Amino acid sequence: SQTIHQWPATLVQPVGSPLSLECTVEGTSNPNLYWYRQAAGRGLQLLFYSVGIGQISSEVPQNLSASRPQDRQFILSSKKLLLSDSGFYLCAWSVGPYEQYFGPGTRLTVT
Amino acid sequence: QKEVEQNSGPLSVPEGAIASLNCTYSDRVSQSFFWYRQYSGKSPELIMSIYSNGDKEDGRFTAQLNKASQYVSLLIRDSQPSDSATYLCAALQAGNMLTFGGGTRLMVKP
Repeated sequence: SQTIHQWPATLVQPVGSPLSLECTVEGTSNPNLYWYRQAAGRGLQLLFYSVGIGQISSEVPQNLSASRPQDRQFILSSKKLLLSDSGFYLCAWSVGPYEQYFGPGTRLTVT
Repeated sequence: QKEVEQNSGPLSVPEGAIASLNCTYSDRVSQSFFWYRQYSGKSPELIMSIYSNGDKEDGRFTAQLNKASQYVSLLIRDSQPSDSATYLCAALQAGNMLTFGGGTRLMVKP
């Protein structure tokens, strides 16, 4: 069966510090991978998606970036965090244009 | 108009009742829809998907799609306090991307 991991689970970072969040998927090959952010009391916002290694599409302009160094690994990064980057970061995977399955998420607080 | 819209609630139902959650969508999304449940502080969990007009049942859950009226519903029969959560409706857009509604908070009271 497929499993998706995210770490860390929680993170508190000062403004201006770098960020690296990791997501890995087990039990499937060549998945589509997604990064979402959910701000407090808000809906889900798609940040990035990837259909293959090295293929990243960005949905919103921001100071975040994403990379996919391996088939089942998706990384979200920032060089300098802003207060507005606080939120619940969710990684998801799918096989083709079908159901997306979410990881446990990383709760980021920028202070 | 947003692509997918939901009433934010809260929707309050007594234990054992049927909870009816609704979602409307625009022409800018495809005809594939998904319902997710999200408990407070947790990630969304897929409940059901529906791709064709009509009803789809899975246990206590029934998803309904009406393409003519552009709405999707989720019915929860015999509602339990453990069903209290936010329910997210999502629609598939071009490029394998999901667009989500803002979610409806459901409260099931014992």
